[in-house]
Amino acid sequence: EIVLTQSPGTLSLSPGERATLSCRASQSVSSSYLAWYQQKPGQAPRLLIYGASSRATGIPDRFSGSGSGTDFTLTISRLEPEDFAVYYCQQYGSSPTFGGGTKVEIK
Amino acid sequence: QVQLVQSGAEVKKPGASVKVSCKASGYTFTGYYMHWVRQAPGQGLEWMGRINPNSGGTNYAQKFQGRVTMTRDTSISTAYMELSRLRSDDTAVYYCARGGTGYGDYPQDYWGQGTLVTVSS
Repeated sequence: EIVLTQSPGTLSLSPGERATLSCRASQSVSSSYLAWYQQKPGQAPRLLIYGASSRATGIPDRFSGSGSGTDFTLTISRLEPEDFAVYYCQQYGSSPTFGGGTKVEIK
Repeated sequence: QVQLVQSGAEVKKPGASVKVSCKASGYTFTGYYMHWVRQAPGQGLEWMGRINPNSGGTNYAQKFQGRVTMTRDTSISTAYMELSRLRSDDTAVYYCARGGTGYGDYPQDYWGQGTLVTVSS
């Protein structure tokens, strides 16, 4: 099983600031099958990024993904009020697993 | 528009089983894998398994092997997840979520609203 470790656990930032979230895999993620989701309280997760760097339909371009192999990053270029949430990475190959999540909170 | 509508909340006793349904609409049900993901209160997301609605083939996370069964009824575009021998730590919100057209080629892009399963004596 591929274990995904997200860091930091919590990120305290102000609106307008840049957020950088990390996801590290215990072994290489095949074909960059790495996704990022956003989840707000009481809601289902929302797909943001797939294939490590492709934005899902309707996702604003302030969200970007990068990385390959075992190290991946989600960047939010300028935080909007609606971006404060929990973010999860997922490798969705043969036996999918999720990271533990990063909470982006208002400073 | 794609919609996944799940069955309502359940309260079960330890040792019992629960079966959650997920009715799909707005797309070809047999064309996309259906995944099940759960989330315990205040915790992260946990992938449970997936079903190919066309063939009925399944792939379960090792943790749930022997306790989970995923099925589908193509005549009513509905997927089911049954979890047996429930324990208190199975208390969680259970989500169905649409995957890709091929095995492991796309993440989950549409999600149901979630079904809270509470296991309590």
